[in-house]
Amino acid sequence: GESVGLHLPTLSVQEGDNSIINCAYSNSASDYFIWYKQESGKGPQFIIDIRSNMDKRQGQRVTVLLNKTVKHLSLQIAATQPGDSAVYFCAENPFTGNQFYFGTGTSLTVIP
Amino acid sequence: DTGVSQDPRHKITKRGQNVTFRCDPISEHNRLYWYRQTLGQGPEFLTYFQNEAQLEKSRLLSDRFSAERPKGSFSTLEIQRTEQGDSAMYLCASSLVANNEQFFGPGTRLTVL
Repeated sequence: GESVGLHLPTLSVQEGDNSIINCAYSNSASDYFIWYKQESGKGPQFIIDIRSNMDKRQGQRVTVLLNKTVKHLSLQIAATQPGDSAVYFCAENPFTGNQFYFGTGTSLTVIP
Repeated sequence: DTGVSQDPRHKITKRGQNVTFRCDPISEHNRLYWYRQTLGQGPEFLTYFQNEAQLEKSRLLSDRFSAERPKGSFSTLEIQRTEQGDSAMYLCASSLVANNEQFFGPGTRLTVL
């Protein structure tokens, strides 16, 4: 049979360090963005969102930065913990759209 | 737990069989979405409902796929004559309004043998 491999970008960090996960989005008309966390066997879980009229938003231990000029989004996780190990997706929503477009995702592994 | 539930969580079927999945969204949410996710990829949009009306369907949704939301509450996704390429995680999400956070269910993992 044919095997299918995971080709996600990966990031490994030491517990307690800060993590930065990057995402390039495609549609300049997108005006709402969400970072989702997905653990193995579960659905995506909301982390933080940002609208296009902002360039930075902070949550608990997480910060999202939006650079509309280069269509780039980043997620910063402070003091990364083993429970943060998961796949992280950015999702964009065009102003007139009814669906989210998801990026490929980044697999984060936290080393204790 | 986001409040969105899906049933079953896992389904194994033989090629050519029909399968049906159910999604129960958060009760006050008008919008309900179906996505498909394959290994290593982000979710891909299939279709969405505003109350009981199906307003948009992706080109990914072949005529073997049909979705309903008869009373504007729960939704079903049926796949007829399943193919091995249908093997994926099928995710349901709901939201209160457009252009706002979507809450995802745990998904139904379909394996077609």
